[in-house]
Amino acid sequence: GAGVSQSPSNKVTEKGKDVELRCDPISGHTALYWYRQSLGQGLEFLIYFQGNSAPDKSGLPSDRFSAERTGGSVSTLTIQRTQQEDSAVYLCASSLDMGNPSTDTQYFGPGTRLTVL
Amino acid sequence: AQKVTQAQTEISVVEKEDVTLDCVYETRDTTYYLFWYKQPPSGELVFLIRRNSFDEQNEISGRYSWNFQKSTSSFNFTITASQVVDSAVYFCALSEWYNNDMRFGAGTRLTVKP
Repeated sequence: GAGVSQSPSNKVTEKGKDVELRCDPISGHTALYWYRQSLGQGLEFLIYFQGNSAPDKSGLPSDRFSAERTGGSVSTLTIQRTQQEDSAVYLCASSLDMGNPSTDTQYFGPGTRLTVL
Repeated sequence: AQKVTQAQTEISVVEKEDVTLDCVYETRDTTYYLFWYKQPPSGELVFLIRRNSFDEQNEISGRYSWNFQKSTSSFNFTITASQVVDSAVYFCALSEWYNNDMRFGAGTRLTVKP
C-alpha cells in the first residue's frame, strides 16, 4: 500500500531482552518520527529524522532506546534490556517535510504493540 | 514548551446527537499548527485537519467542524449528527514553528451508541 507500514504488528518479549521495531515511511517522505503511546495515554514523541541530518533524539526516555534510519528510508527503533514499563504501542509517522511547516502533515502507521512480560 | 489539554476523557452520546470535543493549548510561539487526529479501534491514527495559527477561520467538512479561537487558546471539534462509525479516540495536537516535537493531548474517547 501507499501508507506508512510497521512491523511486527505485535511483539511479546521477556524483560531484559532487546527488541527491534521497523518502520517503512511513505515513499518520497523525507521526515520520519517515532512516538510511544502507553495504555490510555496520548502520544509521546521519541525521535525525529529528516533526510541525512542528525536525528532529534530529545524525546528518547533513556539510553536503552535508540533508532537509526538507513538510506533515508526504513527506520528501526531498538529497545535494549526491555522493562515492563516499555510496554506500549510504538507509532511511526512520516511527512514530506519540504521545509514548509505550514503545509507539512504527519501520516501515521498502524503501530507495533509491544508487551514486556 | 507547548502543551495540549483535552479535559474530556470519555464522552458517550446517542446516534444523531451533536458532540463537541474540547482542546485547549499552550504555546509561547506566535506561529504554530494545530491538528486533530482520529484513532479508531483498529489503532491507526487518521489525520483530520491542520490549522495554522494565523488562520482563525472556522472549518467545516461534512459533519465535522472546527472552531479555532486564539483568544481562548482553544481548537474545538464538533461532530454533527453523530454516527456509530464516529466512535474512536480523538487526539488534538500542537506543533510549533520548526519544532519537531508535535505535542499530543491525552485524547478523548467518543462512544456513539445506536
